[in-house]
Amino acid sequence: EIVLTQSPGTLSLSPGERATLSCRASQSVSSSYLAWYQQKPGQAPRLLIYGASSRATGIPDRFSGSGSGTDFTLTISRLEPEDFAVYYCQQYGSSSTWTFGQGTKVEIK
Amino acid sequence: QVQLQESGPGLVKPSETLSLTCAVSGYSISSGYYWGWIRQPPGKGLEWIGSIYHSGSTYYNPSLKSRVTISVDTSKNQFSLKLSSVTAADTAVYYCARLYPYYYYMDVWGKGTTVTVSS
Repeated sequence: EIVLTQSPGTLSLSPGERATLSCRASQSVSSSYLAWYQQKPGQAPRLLIYGASSRATGIPDRFSGSGSGTDFTLTISRLEPEDFAVYYCQQYGSSSTWTFGQGTKVEIK
Repeated sequence: QVQLQESGPGLVKPSETLSLTCAVSGYSISSGYYWGWIRQPPGKGLEWIGSIYHSGSTYYNPSLKSRVTISVDTSKNQFSLKLSSVTAADTAVYYCARLYPYYYYMDVWGKGTTVTVSS
């Protein structure tokens, strides 16, 4: 079973700053099967990125994804007030199972 | 616009079976996609419970497999979750979601329903 480890656990930044979130897999993951989600308090997660680097419909271009193999990154180029939330990576594995990372909280500094 | 809505008891007694239904509108389940259940214990992260393909093939989290059953009712355009022998550790917000094939991401989510396991 592939384990996804996200870092840091919490990222304290100011609006306008750049956020870099990491998702590391315990073994190689197909880039096609790596996604990122944003979750705000009391809300369901929202799909941001799929296929490691493709933005979902309606997602602003300040969000970008990159990476391959075991190391993936979500970058928010300039944080807007509405971007402060928890972010999760998710992968689909060869054993037909889905797993999530434990999440990174982006909070206002 | 595709919408998903979870429903079911908000309180379940320990050792009993948790049963939830996800009603799908704006899309026919039998047309394709995977359909799944994800949960989130209070203050914690997301955990995939299981998924079902529109054809009926099921896939379960190995850690929950012995207690989980997911089924689909195409006549009602809904799918369901049963989780047996629940304990307090199963207290969570339960989400249903649509899963896109080929890339296997969750593109549409229900709003979630809170289930508490307590006597």
